[in-house]
Amino acid sequence: DTGVSQDPRHKITKRGQNVTFRCDPISEHNRLYWYRQTLGQGPEFLTYFQNEAQLEKSRLLSDRFSAERPKGSFSTLEIQRTEQGDSAMYLCASTLDIWNEQYFGPGTRLTVT
Amino acid sequence: QKEVEQNSGPLSVPEGAIASLNCTYSDRGSQSFFWYRQYSGKSPELIMFIYSNGDKEDGRFTAQLNKASQYVSLLIRDSQPSDSATYLCAVKAGGTSYGKLTFGQGTILTVHP
Repeated sequence: DTGVSQDPRHKITKRGQNVTFRCDPISEHNRLYWYRQTLGQGPEFLTYFQNEAQLEKSRLLSDRFSAERPKGSFSTLEIQRTEQGDSAMYLCASTLDIWNEQYFGPGTRLTVT
Repeated sequence: QKEVEQNSGPLSVPEGAIASLNCTYSDRGSQSFFWYRQYSGKSPELIMFIYSNGDKEDGRFTAQLNKASQYVSLLIRDSQPSDSATYLCAVKAGGTSYGKLTFGQGTILTVHP
């Protein structure tokens, strides 16, 4: 068990570009969450997957954001037409059951210039 | 009123002292409560979770929950400089929330030698 992994760890992009992040959960965990964290704040929930089904999305997830989890394994989060306000740490977490604790990956730090 | 509130600090304690971190939450339906530690530039790391009223101890850490007062706390005994970090309180609601976590803004703890 190598824990939750995320790629890339850092991403610098220009405003208007599209970016895609990847999350690989702990292998036996079929539940996966994406959160976003800005400086000085706690993480905020973005979206939840149970296997390949996206069951909940936050109002924070505008139509520029899309997430997928094909085959219920890894997940991707894409941001289209990035804006400076998208600069944040994007965190992925996984768990075995919704009542269990969530384990976070190292995060992807996005900087939009 | 924020859903989960923490004193942002910073809280400064001398090495060897007890650090007391507090958190209040607004949703009476909340079912489980988590404390995460986050070092600067890193992702949250789970320290403890608690579901039932009372105390739960794990090594130098004790989590305390009072559902009637909607209050959860974390005590760190024999504080060490390596405990210096931001401590995030997270709450998981019941019902159809799919287990998403709602975080406070975090309390910055500094342990000075």
